[in-house]
Amino acid sequence: EADIYQTPRYLVIGTGKKITLECSQTMGHDKMYWYQQDPGMELHLIHYSYGVNSTEKGDLSSESTVSRIRTEHFPLTLESARPSHTSQYLCASSDVQGHYNEQFFGPGTRLTVL
Amino acid sequence: QQPVQSPQAVILREGEDAVINCSSSKALYSVHWYRQKHGEAPVFLMILLKGGEQKGHEKISASFNEKKQQSSLYLTASQLSYSGTYFCGTDYYGGSQGNLIFGKGTKLSVKP
Repeated sequence: EADIYQTPRYLVIGTGKKITLECSQTMGHDKMYWYQQDPGMELHLIHYSYGVNSTEKGDLSSESTVSRIRTEHFPLTLESARPSHTSQYLCASSDVQGHYNEQFFGPGTRLTVL
Repeated sequence: QQPVQSPQAVILREGEDAVINCSSSKALYSVHWYRQKHGEAPVFLMILLKGGEQKGHEKISASFNEKKQQSSLYLTASQLSYSGTYFCGTDYYGGSQGNLIFGKGTKLSVKP
């Protein structure tokens, strides 16, 4: 079944640790996105990618980095986590070949940095 | 550049109707609507393109007024399952095609 997956779903970690949030999709979509969303607030685009070896920064400045070595995989890394990084991180993908370009979201990773 | 949504929150009884608005100060190429339930991921509802083309759910309709740069989402005969936060995402002419700027959301609560 075509879907988009994120792991872990919840992560509690101490300040200074390096973390990687995983995102994979089986829909064959070229374009992928990372959003940051605080509770009850809007989604902010922090990274996106048009395809393999393409990564771009979004509207919201973020200390995280991303990579796109395989079409289906778009991990996000924080080299040194801080309490200000506490938030929910949502991964999404879309088919840029399609006219409508709707985005499909993963279940999210809720990150807490102590 | 962030679109403005109104109202911020609305409470309905089952069977009542609601309208959620999304306004932009810039010329829009498309407006996307998503619903997010508490603790879940946003789910696609509707896309409206400049020129009137649209794709979306059967029971939810929307309009796109190009002169006003405003979209409205119409929820008719609301059900308990309609509860959640509704976000509009806008794609502007001259912006990164396909990248959306989301509004602050409208929280909809449907009571029995």
